[in-house]
Amino acid sequence: EAGVAQSPRYKIIEKRQSVAFWCNPISGHATLYWYQQILGQGPKLLIQFQNNGVVDDSQLPKDRFSAERLKGVDSTLKIQPAKLEDSAVYLCASSRRLDSYEQYFGPGTRLTVT
Amino acid sequence: AQSVTQPDIHITVSEGASLELRCNYSYGATPYLFWYVQSPGQGLQLLLKYFSGDTLVQGIKGFEAEFKRSQSSFNLRKPSVHWSDAAEYFCAVGAGRSNYQLIWGAGTKLIIKP
Repeated sequence: EAGVAQSPRYKIIEKRQSVAFWCNPISGHATLYWYQQILGQGPKLLIQFQNNGVVDDSQLPKDRFSAERLKGVDSTLKIQPAKLEDSAVYLCASSRRLDSYEQYFGPGTRLTVT
Repeated sequence: AQSVTQPDIHITVSEGASLELRCNYSYGATPYLFWYVQSPGQGLQLLLKYFSGDTLVQGIKGFEAEFKRSQSSFNLRKPSVHWSDAAEYFCAVGAGRSNYQLIWGAGTKLIIKP
């Protein structure tokens, strides 16, 4: 079984530029999560999808962040415009169904905003 | 409010010595409990989980954890650490939230002395 795929692995941009991250979950997993992990901290949930619907986006800074999962499979997270404080690792995770707490993570995208 | 505490930010252990990483949670009922490991530059990998039953659970890479209801703890142990165990370890709790989200500890960084 293939794991969660993410790309790119690394990205360096200047502040005020835009960036997009892509995630392909484990096949058949209905629930997809995007997390932000700042160095030295635990993951912070940004948005949770169930199939192609948003379950929770209460911690997503909607003035600059957006995410979609149009066909209920892969997902894209976008930041526009980026700020210095967005420098972090962006993790994508998936679980088999909404009521399964067991999450499987991709390798993450390390974003550096200069 | 539900919370997860990992009291140790860093732990240094000699190679071959035993290891115990602490995790305490705040929740009224029995939660779902997880330990994840994050190696440098990698995503989070599930080490082990507790849902119910035997309170001593075995995981991958020789790790085990014990759920102690009276202490609201789920400590991670390994009898003999290897240099490759150097990583950050995160405890997470699924505690009946309506969206089945995990509550994360801040992590413990394990340093291995040769």
